[in-house]
Amino acid sequence: GAVVSQHPSRVICKSGTSVKIECRSLDFQATTMFWYRQFPKKSLMLMATSNEGSKATYEQGVEKDKFLINHASLTLSTLTVTSAHPEDSSFYICSARVQGGPDFYGYTFGSGTRLTVV
Amino acid sequence: SQQGEEDPQALSIQEGENATMNCSYKTSINNLQWYRQNSGRGLVHLILIRSNEREKHSGRLRVTLDTSKKSSSLLITASRAADTASYFCATVRIQGAQKLVFGQGTRLTINP
Repeated sequence: GAVVSQHPSRVICKSGTSVKIECRSLDFQATTMFWYRQFPKKSLMLMATSNEGSKATYEQGVEKDKFLINHASLTLSTLTVTSAHPEDSSFYICSARVQGGPDFYGYTFGSGTRLTVV
Repeated sequence: SQQGEEDPQALSIQEGENATMNCSYKTSINNLQWYRQNSGRGLVHLILIRSNEREKHSGRLRVTLDTSKKSSSLLITASRAADTASYFCATVRIQGAQKLVFGQGTRLTINP
């Protein structure tokens, strides 16, 4: 089946530094990937839609200069949290859209990245 | 809000009992999906129901969809301790980008 590999699984960084999270599709080409953020005991909030070869589409309220998304190839999308602050500490999850059939798409998820900014 | 609502937000039952979780959404959808998430992990796809379907089964799972009420339910029969997790419904809208929008989720605890 379609597998998405997300790295790192955990990262601790100092306030003011930048952190890059990678999301790779291992056995399929992902033209579209999604980035979500999840706070403890809360649901997933869509941050942005990442399209290969074009600019990401950000959801309302998400700072595009803060959360840089690059989708330079059909198998890799990256999310960079720039100048991280403690309030950016969260669980970040990527997802890739997979053609599930002639009239619908399936979605497969990475295992998530726990970011802690100290 | 981009999200629908699920109830209950938390559910605790005894092993062997059935667990029912409900989900409501706001827009016209192409399909609705249910996912499971163990604590601190990624999501696992459980079942998908299309907008023209009313009920679907998969093993111990039963999903219903009422598009007139914009609601869905997930029933887990004969629950097991290993079913303890958070369960989310997610919808794909008919129009616009094919992005998955999640409900608030239900935290299910199965007590042995």
